[in-house]
Amino acid sequence: DIQMTQSPSSLSASVGDRVTITCRASQSIDYHLNWYQQQPGKAPKLLIYAASSLRSGVPSRFSGSGSGTDFTLTMSSLQPEDFATYYCQQSYSAPLTFGGGTKVEIK
Amino acid sequence: QEQLVESGGGVVQPGRSLRLSCAASGFTFSTYAMHWVRQAPGKGLEWVAVISNDGSNKYYADSVKGRFTISRDNSKNTLSLQMNSLRVEDTAVYYCASDGCVGVSCYSFIYWGQGTLVTVSS
Repeated sequence: DIQMTQSPSSLSASVGDRVTITCRASQSIDYHLNWYQQQPGKAPKLLIYAASSLRSGVPSRFSGSGSGTDFTLTMSSLQPEDFATYYCQQSYSAPLTFGGGTKVEIK
Repeated sequence: QEQLVESGGGVVQPGRSLRLSCAASGFTFSTYAMHWVRQAPGKGLEWVAVISNDGSNKYYADSVKGRFTISRDNSKNTLSLQMNSLRVEDTAVYYCASDGCVGVSCYSFIYWGQGTLVTVSS
């Protein structure tokens, strides 16, 4: 199984900050990496697919990059609605696996 | 508007069975692979199972293989998860989710239901 490791597990930031979350795969997954945002008590929402493609309707302050084993999710200017937990997920092969999550909190 | 609505959750004793359902609307259900994803209380996301758009292919997480069965009825736009031999560690919110690609699965999750809570406890 492919293991996904996210870092950090949590972070504190202020509105307007630039925030970067890292995800590492235990083996190469090419560009088969997706990012999700989950608000408390809500279902996750797909933000980025195929490592760097922004889902329609998602604000352009979100961006993704990387390939192979190392990936990043960047929020260029954090907004109040961005405080949530973020998960990466590999779509290279079953069993599909998620990172442990990164909780973005208000400083 | 795309909508997925899960039902069937509840409290069940270890070793018993439960069947979850997911009703889809607002998109062409029969053209998408479908998934179940779960989240234990206060924990991260765990993929459970996938079924191809025509129901011919199914894959499971090792943690549920042999105990859970995913199925679909494209005539009724419904997805199901039959859960047998339930364990305490199966306690979670169960989400149904549609795949991100039409036809062949690309293994992403684009539309999600609101989730249904399954509690396994004696």
